[in-house]
Amino acid sequence: AQRVTQPEKLLSVFKGAPVELKCNYSYSGSPELFWYVQYSRQRLQLLLRHISRESIKGFTADLNKGETSFHLKKPFAQEEDSAMYYCALRGVGTYKYIFGTGTRLKVLA
Amino acid sequence: DGGITQSPKYLFRKEGQNVTLSCEQNLNHDAMYWYRQDPGQGLRLIYYSQIVNDFQKGDIAEGYSVSREKKESFPLTVTSAQKNPTAFYLCASSTGGRAEAFFGQGTRLTVV
Repeated sequence: AQRVTQPEKLLSVFKGAPVELKCNYSYSGSPELFWYVQYSRQRLQLLLRHISRESIKGFTADLNKGETSFHLKKPFAQEEDSAMYYCALRGVGTYKYIFGTGTRLKVLA
Repeated sequence: DGGITQSPKYLFRKEGQNVTLSCEQNLNHDAMYWYRQDPGQGLRLIYYSQIVNDFQKGDIAEGYSVSREKKESFPLTVTSAQKNPTAFYLCASSTGGRAEAFFGQGTRLTVV
């Protein structure tokens, strides 16, 4: 079955603390993994994707095929990081995106 | 100004009425999608279309219908058969290859 699992509905951290949003997936073929972010009153937008291997706004994510995970990390959380984060998967050569249930990140002052 | 436009932003309908949500894109994207976003359930795929005049059911297609007569447009009809239609609806589009999906601002539908 194709599935994206985000085990935490809510994650609260203090400003300056490290943050890790977990994402595990189940997919039989070769997946492409994405992290999307939705700030308050803004549209859902791409944060980063595994093929780019880039750091956006201090966030990084590494695809671990052995553990089928794509956790999102940031060493020092900022208050402006507070948002809803969604992990998503798309099979290579397909058009269908599968999203997780999302994790709300709250960064406390 | 390129992007995806969903209209209206808020929509109210009486129970038993069909309602159509609009989604237009000027990004020249081949694929378009409709998702439903509910608290605690994330984004669930309703329908998607890879090319004009073709579309596939997603995970929760029952009670919904779509059409794709033009590349730019992918309207979603919420029919009276949808048991729990009150929700936030998101439209998205993407190109082929390895591109990401781009999302509209969403339409909040309330059925009373």
